[in-house]
Amino acid sequence: EDQVTQSPEALRLQEGESSSLNCSYTVSGLRGLFWYRQDPGKGPEFLFTLYSAGEEKEKERLKATLTKKESFLHITAPKPEDSATYLCAVQAYSNTGKLIFGQGTTLQVKP
Amino acid sequence: DGGITQSPKYLFRKEGQNVTLSCEQNLNHDAMYWYRQDPGQGLRLIYYSQIVNDFQKGDIAEGYSVSREKKESFPLTVTSAQKNPTAFYLCASSLDDLYGYTFGSGTRLTVV
Repeated sequence: EDQVTQSPEALRLQEGESSSLNCSYTVSGLRGLFWYRQDPGKGPEFLFTLYSAGEEKEKERLKATLTKKESFLHITAPKPEDSATYLCAVQAYSNTGKLIFGQGTTLQVKP
Repeated sequence: DGGITQSPKYLFRKEGQNVTLSCEQNLNHDAMYWYRQDPGQGLRLIYYSQIVNDFQKGDIAEGYSVSREKKESFPLTVTSAQKNPTAFYLCASSLDDLYGYTFGSGTRLTVV
């Protein structure tokens, strides 16, 4: 069964304190791995798609990496406005019609 | 600006009542999706449609129904058969499923 697990569930950082969020996945043939940001009471906002192990993508203070078993979302020198829930999702070749989401990591960055 | 619009933002349902959540997109996307979000459980797929007049059940379709009569619209009906409908409902669309989804702003449904 295709599965996505994110850790930690919650993360509190001081402004400027870099860290990483983890997304472990089990999928029968990865077609793509997606990262989204979700603010409270709003819909998720697309951040990155990663397709193959070794791939990296960056956007401002965020950098996503991918291995054969997991993906990391690295946050460098975070600011309070980076506070949000970060969602990871995978799509399998065997089931291209849908994304399977993890439960998310809620990040709080304190000034 | 192109986007995906969900309405209403908040919806209250009485016991035994059917309610319909609206989802409209002007992105010219072929595929549309409905997800349900509960605290600590992530997003779970209810229904999806990859083309007009066709749709498939997701993982938790029981108690829900959809239609796709137009490319732009994918309404979701929460029927009285859905025993625990209180949740945050998200509609999404995609041009190609490898380009990620564009999500609406969600509808929060509460049973009263």
